[in-house]
Amino acid sequence: DAGVIQSPRHEVTEMGQEVTLRCKPISGHNSLFWYRQTMMRGLELLIYFNNNVPIDDSGMPEDRFSAKMPNASFSTLKIQPSEPRDSAVYFCASKTQGFGYGYTFGSGTRLTVV
Amino acid sequence: GDSVTQMEGPVTLSEEAFLTINCTYTATGYPSLFWYVQYPGEGLQLLLKATKADDKGSNKGFEATYRKETTSFHLEKGSVQVSDSAVYFCALSAGNFGNEKLTFGTGTRLTIIP
Repeated sequence: DAGVIQSPRHEVTEMGQEVTLRCKPISGHNSLFWYRQTMMRGLELLIYFNNNVPIDDSGMPEDRFSAKMPNASFSTLKIQPSEPRDSAVYFCASKTQGFGYGYTFGSGTRLTVV
Repeated sequence: GDSVTQMEGPVTLSEEAFLTINCTYTATGYPSLFWYVQYPGEGLQLLLKATKADDKGSNKGFEATYRKETTSFHLEKGSVQVSDSAVYFCALSAGNFGNEKLTFGTGTRLTIIP
């Protein structure tokens, strides 16, 4: 199993540009999560999906952030327009249904907005 | 709501010392409990888990026991190595079936010096 695959690993963009982060969950996992990690705020849950349906997006910082999951094998997190305060590591994670199962995390995308 | 409280870091120990990282939780019902580890530049990895009271999770020399009476899940290792230097996160999974997101603690940074 290839695990959770995120792309790109690193992204440097200028303020005001659109940024799209991508995630391929583990096949058969039915829940997908997007997290943001910074030194100041730690690990923050942005949004999660069950069976491709967004369940809780209360962690999305503002309207500049949007996430989609068009099918069970792909999700995107988009920031438009990007700002320097969006610089962080963004993680995607997936899990199978059931309380005894933990997440499998991807390796993350390090986003730098200059 | 659900919450996880971890001991404040950073924690610095000498190689071969005994390690304890405290974790307590608040949750409705009977949560599953997890420890995750994050090595520098990587995503979080599941270290161990326990799904019911008095269960002991173990992996790579680390252990944690699910204590319902004290609502705790402390992480222990008898003899730490330099390679154990990482950030450790305690987490719980509770809620309704189909709404099984993890609640994470703030993380404890561990540094082992030779």
